[in-house]
Amino acid sequence: EADIYQTPRYLVIGTGKKITLECSQTMGHDKMYWYQQDPGMELHLIHYSYGVNSTEKGDLSSESTVSRIRTEHFPLTLESARPSHTSQYLCASSEPDRVEQYFGPGTRLTVT
Amino acid sequence: DAKTTQPTSMDCAEGRAANLPCNHSTISGNEYVYWYRQIHSQGPQYIIHGLKNNETNEMASLIITEDRKSSTLILPHATLRDTAVYYCIVRRGYGGSQGNLIFGKGTKLSVKP
Repeated sequence: EADIYQTPRYLVIGTGKKITLECSQTMGHDKMYWYQQDPGMELHLIHYSYGVNSTEKGDLSSESTVSRIRTEHFPLTLESARPSHTSQYLCASSEPDRVEQYFGPGTRLTVT
Repeated sequence: DAKTTQPTSMDCAEGRAANLPCNHSTISGNEYVYWYRQIHSQGPQYIIHGLKNNETNEMASLIITEDRKSSTLILPHATLRDTAVYYCIVRRGYGGSQGNLIFGKGTKLSVKP
């Protein structure tokens, strides 16, 4: 059973606030990912990481940033939240040489 | 990467087999077929993958045609909890950005009592 956690599960916040979405996994996976998904729409990859100190931009441009200081932790930060950032954010991880990804439960972000 | 085509939606009666088709006519020799599903806004769940041979696991079976241009995911005895969006994804091998998944619109499977 995959062990990947995201907090908070739901977040309602005002415009201009700085927020950090947490993602952690206990599987020792090197590769981690962040996806963004609007309701009823497709998932889009916004960031990924091959391992510690590695971060890459995904297919969809995002104003968010990520960091990877520890293998198990891959937080996503929005410096100044805007209503256009309202979406669900999903974190995933995988072994470096495998394509199968394990997803967390997601964070549903609403910016008012 | 090969593009996939899936029906937008399908219905299936509870207890019957659900057969979800996927066309990937431009697939190349080293590309795998992956299936994931997403149950109502939860994170997607890996189901199965294959290269050219048929595959079976505890969740489903994957049938890939001999020319590899299409495949079918089979849920042998669908339950209400199998209602989800099913994604067929074709990716080139392992590692690097080639291991990143590209999710399309998928097929919305509705299992009805």
